[in-house]
Amino acid sequence: DTAVSQTPKYLVTQMGNDKSIKCEQNLGHDTMYWYKQDSKKFLKIMFSYNNKELIINETVPNRFSPKSPDKAHLNLHINSLELGDSAVYFCASSQVRDYEQYFGPGTRLTVT
Amino acid sequence: QKEVEQDPGPLSVPEGAIVSLNCTYSNSAFQYFMWYRQYSRKGPELLMYTYSSGNKEDGRFTAQVDKSSKYISLFIRDSQPSDSATYLCALGRNQFYFGTGTSLTVIP
Repeated sequence: DTAVSQTPKYLVTQMGNDKSIKCEQNLGHDTMYWYKQDSKKFLKIMFSYNNKELIINETVPNRFSPKSPDKAHLNLHINSLELGDSAVYFCASSQVRDYEQYFGPGTRLTVT
Repeated sequence: QKEVEQDPGPLSVPEGAIVSLNCTYSNSAFQYFMWYRQYSRKGPELLMYTYSSGNKEDGRFTAQVDKSSKYISLFIRDSQPSDSATYLCALGRNQFYFGTGTSLTVIP
């Protein structure tokens, strides 16, 4: 069974569109995260959720909004996509906040 | 100054070599230290973690933390082609900061 899964794996879309990326974890973890990895492999945290509460929100544009329907899911919605949003987005989860994070396979977003 | 500095490489070594990967950090409050391995087009996977200064060994991998120098290392003994990947350090306390990763290639 896949511990942390993301859909879709690849996403190609045009500027100005709105898109969502879904994440699910079956590890029973309390905290989930979204990371953005740029072309230089730099991994930067965007959001984390603990028990449905947002506990970290870095300087991310408000076009990005995380939504957590339950403890096992944390989706990422992006409005008005821009060229600079092209990157690989990783979902992760951990039992305790910020400890031993398990990553999903990533979603490669390309904005044209 | 970045929270975590990591030499991006690339690093290329022959099979069987000992590999040393390093990160430096600026925040003395950091107390959790982790190493992740990321294969091409895959998500990072946790390789090793430690909470204190000293060494921690797991098979061919040894993680070393020197809090006084704010320096952490990952050593890979008897490196294998399957070790070819990008290695990222992650450090923090209430929030984790990732290094930029070091790309390693082990040549058969």
